[in-house]
Amino acid sequence: QLVESGGGLIQPGGSLRLSCAASGFRVSGISMSWVRQAPGKGLEWVSIIYTGGYTYYADSVMGRFAISRDESKDMLYLQMNSLRVEDTAIYYCARASALDTWGQGTVVTVSS
Amino acid sequence: DIQMTQSPSAMSASVGDRVTITCRASQGISTFLAWFQQKPGKVPKRLIYDASSLQSGVPSRFSGSGSGTEFTLTISSLQPEDFATYYCLQHNTYPGTFGQGTKVEIK
Repeated sequence: QLVESGGGLIQPGGSLRLSCAASGFRVSGISMSWVRQAPGKGLEWVSIIYTGGYTYYADSVMGRFAISRDESKDMLYLQMNSLRVEDTAIYYCARASALDTWGQGTVVTVSS
Repeated sequence: DIQMTQSPSAMSASVGDRVTITCRASQGISTFLAWFQQKPGKVPKRLIYDASSLQSGVPSRFSGSGSGTEFTLTISSLQPEDFATYYCLQHNTYPGTFGQGTKVEIK
C-alpha cells in the first residue's frame, strides 16, 4: 500500500515536499516513481529512483524537483522547488518501473 | 525521449463489442509496455504488463499483444464497467512515457 501526503496550495516560485509511505514491502528493494496528472489531462511520469540510487526526471521538472527515499522508514519523497502554475496536478507515487501499485494521490495547486 | 502515439484518442462502443486500442513507440521498446485503466476521479489501475501479461485479478476479456514498436490492448467483449480511459506506458528507457489516452464511451 502507498499513501501520499504533503500536497496543498502554494504560490508560484514556492517549494513543497511530498511524502509517500509504503507498507507491505521495502522501498529499498524496488524502484519507485512519481507520476502526475494535471486537471483534465493525461498521465505524466515525473521521476524515478532505482534501487541503486540512480534517479531520472522528466525534462519538465529537471533541475527543480528531487526524488529521494528513506529506507529506514520506507518513505519516498519528492522535493519540488521553483513551482510553476503548470505543476498543478494530482501527484501519485507508484511502485516499480511498470507501476504495479499506486497511491491515492495528493493534490498540488500552484496559484497566486 | 521515446514518444508513445496512442489511437484512437476516443471511441464510442456498445456493450459486447470487441475493442482494440493501439500504441506505437517512436523506437523499439521490446516488451517494456503496460496498459492502465482509469475511471473518472479514480486512481489508474494496471491491466497488462510486459506487453501481454494479465495483471492478477483483471478479467480475461482484457489482453495485450505486441513487441518492438507496435502494441495493442483488446477487450474481447466490452462490459458496462469497462467504460473508462486507457493509457499505455513504455518503461524501456527513462523517463517513462505514457500515451495520450483513449477514452472509451458508451454508444
